[in-house]
Amino acid sequence: EAGVAQSPRYKIIEKRQSVAFWCNPISGHATLYWYQQILGQGPKLLIQFQNNGVVDDSQLPKDRFSAERLKGVDSTLKIQPAKLEDSAVYLCASSLGGGTWGNTIYFGEGSWLTVV
Amino acid sequence: QKEVEQDPGPLSVPEGAIVSLNCTYSNSAFQYFMWYRQYSRKGPELLMYTYSSGNKEDGRFTAQVDKSSKYISLFIRDSQPSDSATYLCAMSATGRRALTFGSGTRLQVQP
Repeated sequence: EAGVAQSPRYKIIEKRQSVAFWCNPISGHATLYWYQQILGQGPKLLIQFQNNGVVDDSQLPKDRFSAERLKGVDSTLKIQPAKLEDSAVYLCASSLGGGTWGNTIYFGEGSWLTVV
Repeated sequence: QKEVEQDPGPLSVPEGAIVSLNCTYSNSAFQYFMWYRQYSRKGPELLMYTYSSGNKEDGRFTAQVDKSSKYISLFIRDSQPSDSATYLCAMSATGRRALTFGSGTRLQVQP
């Protein structure tokens, strides 16, 4: 079974530039998550989709971050304009259902962003 | 104060040692508790999950939850160099699907 695919793996941009990350979840997984992991910290949820609807985006900095999941499959996370503090790993994850119990969340390898 | 506290380590042990990793939390609504392992430059992978209080064993790994103390533990028996990674605890409340992670403990098992 193919895992969660993310691209690009690494990106270096200057502050105030824009960047977009793409995620393809495991086939058949209805729930997709974007997490931000700053070096030395645990992942923090940015946004959660159930099919193509947003379930939770309470921690998404909406003035600069946006995400979409068209047709309930692939997803794109965009940052515009980027700030130095956005340097982090952006992890995409997916699960079969939306509830926690019994629904293992599978993570991709992450997209590493450095803002200079 | 963070909702979930975890000692960042690093924790260095000799091969074959018993490792104890711990997290404390403040939110009494947390009911689901998980441990993830994260190798360098990889995404987290689920190791163990438990519901409410109690113990769960899976091979060399044992997870314990003490809700009265708001304290969870992961024990690794007969540790191997391949266990060297960052271990993240994660938890969530009933009806709230998002996971709240600890900051992770870096473990190094010396051959």
